[in-house]
Amino acid sequence: AQKITQTQPGMFVQEKEAVTLDCTYDTSDPSYGLFWYKQPSSGEMIFLIYQGSYDQQNATEGRYSLNFQKARKSANLVISASQLGDSAMYFCAMREARTSGTYKYIFGTGTRLKVLA
Amino acid sequence: DAGVIQSPRHEVTEMGQEVTLRCKPISGHDYLFWYRQTMMRGLELLIYFNNNVPIDDSGMPEDRFSAKMPNASFSTLKIQPSEPRDSAVYFCASSSTGRGGRNEQFFGPGTRLTVL
Repeated sequence: AQKITQTQPGMFVQEKEAVTLDCTYDTSDPSYGLFWYKQPSSGEMIFLIYQGSYDQQNATEGRYSLNFQKARKSANLVISASQLGDSAMYFCAMREARTSGTYKYIFGTGTRLKVLA
Repeated sequence: DAGVIQSPRHEVTEMGQEVTLRCKPISGHDYLFWYRQTMMRGLELLIYFNNNVPIDDSGMPEDRFSAKMPNASFSTLKIQPSEPRDSAVYFCASSSTGRGGRNEQFFGPGTRLTVL
């Protein structure tokens, strides 16, 4: 079963507009972490934002914010004032604890965002 | 501060050959991860280490793959013998426990492996 679901394989947004990338997750671990990464066409993976399961407020990092709805198990990424350089693949990821005391890291399949001039 | 360093950046080899990918994590980081990315399977976690000790290798595809971390500043991922289906981009990432619980991963530039 998919633990991280990104239902939008591709999206377009007009420059300077805001865009929301969807991510839903599934875990029974009460203490987990959610991450968003950006992968431009050059290939590197860039950390954008983190939300802990116990964090009371939605995380924000500059133009990035995470719309965390714990009851719905969703962690959508909001990019405000889109720029051409935001065109990239975006991955949602989760860190959850295992009964063995180790962690498990799972990445979604990604959403490809194209910002239009 | 230097980021995660991987070498080589590109590797082309023939089926049956041994391939060794190298990674130098960010200094002070206590976690190191190896990932594989393909179009078909997306980004897969192969193995990760904590304080140089392998913690979870359940993602390693088969016995042909092995990973070591002899010290805090160096890790290798070895494929022996290599097969065409191993062609992928292999990423190394590192993270630190001490970052307020975030433990976000910093990725290297990747090694693009092509097995002919």
